[in-house]
Amino acid sequence: EAQVTQNPRYLITVTGKKLTVTCSQNMNHEYMSWYRQDPGLGLRQIYYSMNVEVTDKGDVPEGYKVSRKEKRNFPLILESPSPNQTSLYFCASSIDFGGNEQFFGPGTRLTVL
Amino acid sequence: KNEVEQSPQNLTAQEGEFITINCSYSVGISALHWLQQHPGGGIVSLFMLSSGKKKHGRLIATINIQEKHSSLHITASHPRDSAVYICAVRHYSGGSNYKLTFGKGTLLTVNP
Repeated sequence: EAQVTQNPRYLITVTGKKLTVTCSQNMNHEYMSWYRQDPGLGLRQIYYSMNVEVTDKGDVPEGYKVSRKEKRNFPLILESPSPNQTSLYFCASSIDFGGNEQFFGPGTRLTVL
Repeated sequence: KNEVEQSPQNLTAQEGEFITINCSYSVGISALHWLQQHPGGGIVSLFMLSSGKKKHGRLIATINIQEKHSSLHITASHPRDSAVYICAVRHYSGGSNYKLTFGKGTLLTVNP
């Protein structure tokens, strides 16, 4: 089944404790992206990747890192999480960055205390 | 900076009614997406448009590039259509890069 998976789905952590949210897709998609969703603000793009080893900042990259060492994986790293990073995070992928349909992961609800 | 405005923010309808959700944006785009998010959070792509009109079952999406406006219509609405509908536009952001900018969503509730 074609899908985007994220892990963990739920995470409660404390300020400053490094964490990684994994994202994997099995569709051989070139384009992958991370979004955060906050009440009243909607979805905002954090980082995106147009292919292996090619990443760029979205609208709200501060406090996040990403890497794209393999085509299928695009982990989101929070080196020193803070409470303002409490949010619902979505990973998505598409065939390329040409505006094609995006496939979303199920979301990761992160709480930073 | 591209702004994406959706209207209305909230919409309550009776089962069977015709629904229209609007999306306006401020800069030139290469594509527009309509997404659906059910309670519980999962996001599904409904349409991707760069011109004209698309139809899938009871859902119809249109776009007017000149007026920078798109509409999502739901015919014969049903309670299972209750969800947040999100408009997103793909636009040029410099170099060889494109970005997706999202509207804040329209919460649709369809009562039986």
